[in-house]
This record gives sequence, C-alpha cells and structure tokens, in this order.
Amino acid sequence: NAGVMQNPRHLVRRRGQEARLRCSPMKGHSHVYWYRQLPEEGLKFMVYLQKENIIDESGMPKERFSAEFPKEGPSILRIQQVVRGDSAAYFCASSPTGSPGRSPLHFGNGTRLTVT
Amino acid sequence: RKEVEQDPGPFNVPEGATVAFNCTYSNSASQSFFWYRQDCRKEPKLLMSVYSSGNEDGRFTAQLNRASQYISLLIRDSKLSDSATYLCVVNPMNSGYSTLTFGKGTMLLVSP
Repeated sequence: NAGVMQNPRHLVRRRGQEARLRCSPMKGHSHVYWYRQLPEEGLKFMVYLQKENIIDESGMPKERFSAEFPKEGPSILRIQQVVRGDSAAYFCASSPTGSPGRSPLHFGNGTRLTVT
Repeated sequence: RKEVEQDPGPFNVPEGATVAFNCTYSNSASQSFFWYRQDCRKEPKLLMSVYSSGNEDGRFTAQLNRASQYISLLIRDSKLSDSATYLCVVNPMNSGYSTLTFGKGTMLLVSP
C-alpha cells in the first residue's frame, strides 16, 4: 500500500512565478490536509479537504494561496506570485477519517519550495 | 504563552542512556495528545498517542499531567536510530486534524 505521495520533492521558483504542489493520499483515504513548516518552526495547518470540497481553510493565507482536491487526481496546493517568505517545506497528510482520536495522520515526504 | 512549548535542545546522550522530554500546552480544554518523530528533512511520523493513564510502547513511555498541562516522553536504552526531532502535538478541541497544534520539536542526538 503506497503511502502519501507528494511531488515534486524540490521546487525552485523565482519571485512572482506560480508554484503547484501535488499530493496523492493513501489508498482509501478521503481526507487530505496541507501543512507548512517554515525553517526553525513547527508545522502549521493550512487547509483540510475532502473530495471536491474544502472543509476548513482557516490556516490559508487570504491571498495567493488556493487548494483543491478534485474528484479525480491528486490534491493541488497552488501559490501564485510567490515571494521569498513562501520558502518552506509543504507537507500533505491523509487520513481515512477526520478524527485524530480514531486514526493516525499519514504524512507525505513533503515538497521543499525555494523562492529565489 | 505559546500554544505548545518544547525545549528545542539538542539533547546529547550516549547510547543506552535514558532521556526525557517535556512539553507544555496552554489550552486547558485540550483533549488529544501525541508525540511525532521527525528525522532531518523528512516527514513527521506518529510515534505514539498519549493517554490520560499514561502509556508505554517498548522503550518509549508517554505521560500526561492535565493539572499542570504538560506531557512527557521517556526513552529508555537510547539507540543511535533514536536521533531525531520529537514533536509534541496537541488537539485543542478534540475535533479534527485541522486543529492539531505542533510544537517546534526537541532534537535528540544519541552518540556511540
């Protein structure tokens, strides 16, 4: 059973470009979460999605960031007009339920975004 | 006060040593607690959940003190492979994963 798959592993973008990060959850998992880890910081929740629905985007910056989880295909985190402060590790996680008390969260190996 | 606070370390210990980490949390209504492990530049992985009565998994023991709002992780007989950053994770409202709050982590270095 393949784990959570993220690609690309590393992404370099110039300021002002767009970054697209992809995440395929574990088989059988319909709950997807995106977290961001800035250097020397803890993981911060960004957005929680189920198929075709954004359930909670309270951790997403109001501008330039968007996420989707279409009926077919991976979840996408999109960052428009990237700035240096967007440089971070972006982790996707999936779970078969929405409750940490009932099932663990499985993380992908992350996408490291560097903005030059 | 930060939501979840940990000593960043590093804790340098020899193989075979016993080491303990503490973590404090600010929200007294928090219901779920976890320890995750994160190797350098890798993804976090669940080490163990922390239950009110305390729990043990092999060389690892987790304790919860609700009155003082801290949780602890004890590692006995440290192995070189235990070298990693240990993340304290709290679920403030016992709701979904969207409310999980991660500490910055405590780094452990086990030397031969």
